[in-house]
Amino acid sequence: SQKIEQNSEALNIQEGKTATLTCNYTNYSPAYLQWYRQDPGRGPVFLLLIRENEKEKRKERLKVTFDTTLKQSLFHITASQPADSATYLCARSSTGGSQGNLIFGKGTKLSVKP
Amino acid sequence: DADVTQTPRNRITKTGKRIMLECSQTKGHDRMYWYRQDPGLGLRLIYYSFDVKDINKGEISDGYSVSRQAQAKFSLSLESAIPNQTALYFCATSDPRPGSSYEQYFGPGTRLTVT
Repeated sequence: SQKIEQNSEALNIQEGKTATLTCNYTNYSPAYLQWYRQDPGRGPVFLLLIRENEKEKRKERLKVTFDTTLKQSLFHITASQPADSATYLCARSSTGGSQGNLIFGKGTKLSVKP
Repeated sequence: DADVTQTPRNRITKTGKRIMLECSQTKGHDRMYWYRQDPGLGLRLIYYSFDVKDINKGEISDGYSVSRQAQAKFSLSLESAIPNQTALYFCATSDPRPGSSYEQYFGPGTRLTVT
């Protein structure tokens, strides 16, 4: 089965540091991985997508990596700010007839302290 | 105006009642989804629709039904609500065209409580 795991339920860091969140998947590599941000009581918001043939993707202070050997994606927020505090969801693409569907991890709650 | 809207935003209902959650989108996307989110369980797919005539069960469809009234509208029904259907429900859309990112756009959610 296609599974995706975010091992840390919560991560606490100091403002200005780099936050690193981990996402692991099982079995075969997905065509792509996506990362979303979710604030309390609100819907997830798309941040970044990285495809299987890409090693790294950047967007402003965000960086995502995709390691097919380790079956892992890392999500980095550099120079973190209290406003970055939220839950971050990793999602893998599904395959076959449901291509385009996503399977979500449970999320990691990031808290950035001033 | 929001691209994906959900009504109601909050609902408290009693066990055994029928309830409908509605979703509308202005993004022009063919694909629409219904998820539920529970603490510790993450987002789980209930139903998805690739177009008006193509509706499919997701991971946890038992106890739910859906209707795709138009490209822009996708409703979720609980025929006979039970307390373990208490959750946060999200509607989402995506663009299936080749080369797209399959990014999903989520609505604001409906908080449903079944007593």
